[in-house]
Amino acid sequence: GESVGLHLPTLSVQEGDNSIINCAYSNSASDYFIWYKQESGKGPQFIIDIRSNMDKRQGQRVTVLLNKTVKHLSLQIAATQPGDSAVYFCAENQAGTALIFGKGTTLSVSS
Amino acid sequence: DGGITQSPKYLFRKEGQNVTLSCEQNLNHDAMYWYRQDPGQGLRLIYYSQIVNDFQKGDIAEGYSVSREKKESFPLTVTSAQKNPTAFYLCATASGISSYEQYFGPGTRLTVT
Repeated sequence: GESVGLHLPTLSVQEGDNSIINCAYSNSASDYFIWYKQESGKGPQFIIDIRSNMDKRQGQRVTVLLNKTVKHLSLQIAATQPGDSAVYFCAENQAGTALIFGKGTTLSVSS
Repeated sequence: DGGITQSPKYLFRKEGQNVTLSCEQNLNHDAMYWYRQDPGQGLRLIYYSQIVNDFQKGDIAEGYSVSREKKESFPLTVTSAQKNPTAFYLCATASGISSYEQYFGPGTRLTVT
């Protein structure tokens, strides 16, 4: 079946750098996308979302970009901090269905 | 984690025993979900419920059972028929099945030996 995937399983950055985490999706009918952050041993926490009628959305230090032409989603974290170290998941959703999660990218921030 | 409680945090069982994982919420959400997470993997949907006394199978329902007798509670039973039960189990809620954002509980790590 169709599923959401991530380009890289791990990403290592220096504190203060900007981080970009990528995600490819295959279901063109998906109309909503979410990024979650999961710290070790905890449940995922909502970071930011975007609907398919948008191509960019900004939050506090985070930006999500959606490119529907190539079915690509990215999460940008500005001035990455050690507390940002976690596993990041993208998820897609169609109205009335359950979320489909990607496998996750582990972000490691060194100071 | 908000108003979602999963207990216990760690659970150990012998092979061949059924075990029930608890999920309670006080968010007044209609929809509840159970996911399984294995190391290095994403979340896979086991069961979900849109309303009391109704639930649907997810992608990996075999070897699991659920009930939804109350809006606040959605317990998951891992039966002896589940071949690889050791995993991290996550419960989530949403205000409705058409509500996109899901809120997750802290999870229960089940180890079966």
